[in-house]
Amino acid sequence: NAGVTQTPKFQVLKTGQSMTLQCAQDMNHEYMSWYRQDPGMGLRLIHYSVGAGITDQGEVPNGYNVSRSTTEDFPLRLLSAAPSQTSVYFCASSLWAGNTEAFFGQGTRLTVV
Amino acid sequence: DAKTTQPPSMDCAEGRAANLPCNHSTISGNEYVYWYRQIHSQGPQYIIHGLKNNETNEMASLIITEDRKSSTLILPHATLRDTAVYYCIVRARLGTDKLIFGTGTRLQVFP
Repeated sequence: NAGVTQTPKFQVLKTGQSMTLQCAQDMNHEYMSWYRQDPGMGLRLIHYSVGAGITDQGEVPNGYNVSRSTTEDFPLRLLSAAPSQTSVYFCASSLWAGNTEAFFGQGTRLTVV
Repeated sequence: DAKTTQPPSMDCAEGRAANLPCNHSTISGNEYVYWYRQIHSQGPQYIIHGLKNNETNEMASLIITEDRKSSTLILPHATLRDTAVYYCIVRARLGTDKLIFGTGTRLQVFP
């Protein structure tokens, strides 16, 4: 099983550019989420989805959009990148919302200049 | 979600048991204790979880005090590959899943 796959692994953007971070899982998990991790800090929840067609905001949603058209995919869109969005982004999935074990991707390291 | 408190860092000799404490004095009755770890910028990895009984799996043991206000994650024979940041998280099992990570404990296993 591939598990949770994130692409790209690295990305450099200019301020104001837009891009989409991809996240796909092949475990038929209903619940998916996006986190960001900044140096010296824990992970902070950006957005999450409890199933296809349903999304909601986490702790730090501003500047990011998500959609969930399929069970497998949960892309994260940066509409107009800012230097404050320089971070490592992790996607996670679990079988259902209250499930105990979340599987994380390997992360996307984003730099906005 | 209940707040957890962990020491920022700990050291452990290779082959010895690593005991990582976590305080969660405001935990409510329906909240579980979860442990994850993150090895050098990789995605976090689930380790173990429990409600009130002690739990053990192939990776670790979890000891929860009787009043549930604190817990200890035990790695029985730490190896260099166990060097990581360990996160203690409390959350309700049912309902919307929000894994809220703190800053964790950085465990350094030395030879």
